[in-house]
Amino acid sequence: GDSVTQMEGPVTLSEEAFLTINCTYTATGYPSLFWYVQYPGEGLQLLLKATKADDKGSNKGFEATYRKETTSFHLEKGSVQVSDSAVYFCAVSGGSYIPTFGRGTSLIVHP
Amino acid sequence: EAQVTQNPRYLITVTGKKLTVTCSQNMNHEYMSWYRQDPGLGLRQIYYSMNVEVTDKGDVPEGYKVSRKEKRNFPLILESPSPNQTSLYFCASSPRGASVPNTEAFFGQGTRLTVV
Repeated sequence: GDSVTQMEGPVTLSEEAFLTINCTYTATGYPSLFWYVQYPGEGLQLLLKATKADDKGSNKGFEATYRKETTSFHLEKGSVQVSDSAVYFCAVSGGSYIPTFGRGTSLIVHP
Repeated sequence: EAQVTQNPRYLITVTGKKLTVTCSQNMNHEYMSWYRQDPGLGLRQIYYSMNVEVTDKGDVPEGYKVSRKEKRNFPLILESPSPNQTSLYFCASSPRGASVPNTEAFFGQGTRLTVV
């Protein structure tokens, strides 16, 4: 079945630092890729997605590029804010069902 | 407003006392699922349902039951809760079908369950 591996956390950064959270996946066919974010005390919500190779998803200053050759979908942001502190989940969907999730990476941003 | 609603948000119960966590979605989604979230383990799928009267086990189904009598509702039942079921639970829904492939999942706000 599908699987996702993402970097362990927590990732601790100072405000305005550059963020990268690595994500690699295995899936058959032509999956879609997602990043979800979970703010403290809330459920998961979609942050961005990409549905085919070389697509770049972007939202709220975050970006991720679908790299089929390296089966990766790394999340990046040029300048993080305290309000970005959350848990980030990478996910892959190989069909029309709910995606398979990674274990989540906690991001802590200090002022 | 399109949403997935779980109730209750917080629940403390005693070992062995049957409980139900409700989940309802108003988006006419066919696919619904339950997850539990535990520190260091991420999200683990408990059960899922592809449509009314169709349910299947996820990765960690032991100790749980579900039913899908109506499209909008997907309750999670713990017949005899135990302390190792203390966790944060999420319900999610998604459209399914060839016309809407690879779409996002919509999550409820979560239910924090403590079994003492």
